[in-house]
Amino acid sequence: AQKVTQAQTEISVVEKEDVTLDCVYETRDTTYYLFWYKQPPSGELVFLIRRNSFDEQNEISGRYSWNFQKSTSSFNFTITASQVVDSAVYFCALSVRDYKLSFGAGTTVTVRA
Amino acid sequence: EAGVTQSPTHLIKTRGQQATLRCSPISGHTSVYWYQQALGLGLQFLLWYDEGEERNRGNFPPRFSGRQFPNYSSELNVNALELEDSALYLCASTSGLALAKNIQYFGAGTRLSVL
Repeated sequence: AQKVTQAQTEISVVEKEDVTLDCVYETRDTTYYLFWYKQPPSGELVFLIRRNSFDEQNEISGRYSWNFQKSTSSFNFTITASQVVDSAVYFCALSVRDYKLSFGAGTTVTVRA
Repeated sequence: EAGVTQSPTHLIKTRGQQATLRCSPISGHTSVYWYQQALGLGLQFLLWYDEGEERNRGNFPPRFSGRQFPNYSSELNVNALELEDSALYLCASTSGLALAKNIQYFGAGTRLSVL
């Protein structure tokens, strides 16, 4: 069985601060895919990134960056210089051979002006 | 290009009734997934349809069912509604190739309230 743990329930920061969201996963499959999604108040899950188990290269996209470490089964997400528009619930998810997404509980990020 | 569309946006039912939720995938996508997001329970996988067939099912009772039509749109039916079925139901679609690695794109969901 797959399991994704997001230990942080809520994070509140002031605009321009950096925010790091932790994600720890468990799976016995050697081939798997990790995802981050953003859920704004409108409810729609917005895809942010996908990473496969064979690619540990970190990635940066604008103010977003991701740190994938297989040794610690972690896939952490950092928002640099946060903005009010970053306020949302962020979900980490895992997919293996059965194709479904197993989600973490989500982290609510509140960015105050 | 239109994204995943779900209807209705909101649905209010009473206990014991049946609810039907609809989903239209992104054009060209052949796989549809359904998830339930209930308060306190997080996002849970419900059903997966691909090429008109049910391929996988989450840990939900049989009164949760659905189907996928020839145009790849999908319907989720919930029979004998219970209060705990109140949740946001999200639909996602993927292109059907190399499914495990494919990105699932989500709709805005249907919020079902059972009174």
